[in-house]
Amino acid sequence: DIQMTQSPSSLSASVGDRVTITCRASQRISTYLNWYQQKPGKAPKLLIYSASNLQSGVPSRFRGSGSGTDFTLTISSLQPDDYATYFCQQSYSDIGFTFGPGTKVDIK
Amino acid sequence: QVHLEESGGGVVQPGRSLRVSCAVSGINVTGYGIHWVRQAPGKGLEWVAVIAFDGKNKYFADSVKGRFSLSRDISKNTVYLQLNAVRADDSAVYYCASGTATYYFEFWGHGTLVTVSS
Repeated sequence: DIQMTQSPSSLSASVGDRVTITCRASQRISTYLNWYQQKPGKAPKLLIYSASNLQSGVPSRFRGSGSGTDFTLTISSLQPDDYATYFCQQSYSDIGFTFGPGTKVDIK
Repeated sequence: QVHLEESGGGVVQPGRSLRVSCAVSGINVTGYGIHWVRQAPGKGLEWVAVIAFDGKNKYFADSVKGRFSLSRDISKNTVYLQLNAVRADDSAVYYCASGTATYYFEFWGHGTLVTVSS
């Protein structure tokens, strides 16, 4: 099975800050890596697919990069609406689309 | 507009069974894989299972393999997740999800809560 890790597990940041979240896969997954944002009590929302493709309607301040085993989600200028938990997900393995443990972004 | 709606959650005793449903509109289940993802209270997301567009290929997480099963009713455009021999650690919000590509989920339901308790 492919295992996913994320760092940090949580962070505190101010509006306007640049935020970077990293995700690592236990084996190479090419660019089969997606990022989701989840707010309390809500379903996850797709932000980035295939490592670097911005989902339609998602603000351009969100950027994804990486390939192989190491990936990054960057928020260029944190906005109030961005306080949430972020999950990476690998979709390389047809038999299990594992999620990372999540990174909670809260207000500093 | 694509809409997924889960139903059927509730309280179930350990060892018993429950069936949750995912009613889909805006896309046909014959053309899209439908995934189930669960989230225990205060925890992260866990991929549970998928039924492929052909209805034949089904895959399950190791944690539920042999206990959970998938089926669908094409006439109702609905997918079912059958939970058997449930355990306390099956307690979670169960989401169904899908996407225009097989490898990411752009469509999600609102989730249905399953609580395993005696």
